[in-house]
Amino acid sequence: QVHLQESGPGLVKPSETLSLTCSVSGVSITSYYWSWVRQSPGKGLEWLGFIYYTGSTNYNPSLKSRVTMTVDTAKNQFSLKLISVTAADTAVYFCARDRGILGMDYWGQGLLVTVSS
Amino acid sequence: EIVLTQSPATLSLSPGERATLSCRASQSVSDDLAWYQKKPGQAPRLVIYEASNRATGIPARFSGSGSGTDFTLTISSLEPEDFAVYYCQQRGNWPPELTFGGGTKVEI
Repeated sequence: QVHLQESGPGLVKPSETLSLTCSVSGVSITSYYWSWVRQSPGKGLEWLGFIYYTGSTNYNPSLKSRVTMTVDTAKNQFSLKLISVTAADTAVYFCARDRGILGMDYWGQGLLVTVSS
Repeated sequence: EIVLTQSPATLSLSPGERATLSCRASQSVSDDLAWYQKKPGQAPRLVIYEASNRATGIPARFSGSGSGTDFTLTISSLEPEDFAVYYCQQRGNWPPELTFGGGTKVEI
């Protein structure tokens, strides 16, 4: 059974760095791409980027200057860092298994991150 | 950037009725289009991939069609659990840049 779980602080101060980790169980992280998606309150879904187990990444151009994704194959997890956050980064952050054209088929439950002083 | 436009924004229907959701791409995405169901407090659920393939565990009342720039998600007979927001998503050419449509809310 594939399971993804986001973890990290639920509150981040403006201008600081948001750091989240997605722990994967039931499948090796070396087999797929892994994406981050967020949903701001009352808004739609926004893709942040994906990472492959080799460390290869591709980011949403609108966030590229602020986003870094890394992978830890030994721990079977991958991470997201978003720098210089503002209130506009307040959202529920989801991690997902990304099978390319086959879609994102497994998701974490989501983690609400609020940016506030 | 490929923009996906979904219509209508809201679809008000009753259980048992047919739902037809539209997604239009600003340029051709071939058949690289997926649909997701999103309920409040839950993670998105993959419904359709490659424009017309049902994801694992998705009931046969869900079907997807289209290619190029125009796509449709059809729910043949709405069940109470189908009322949700539906998003289409494409990933473009290499390197992939995924975008989502604005969503269609299917409400009772």
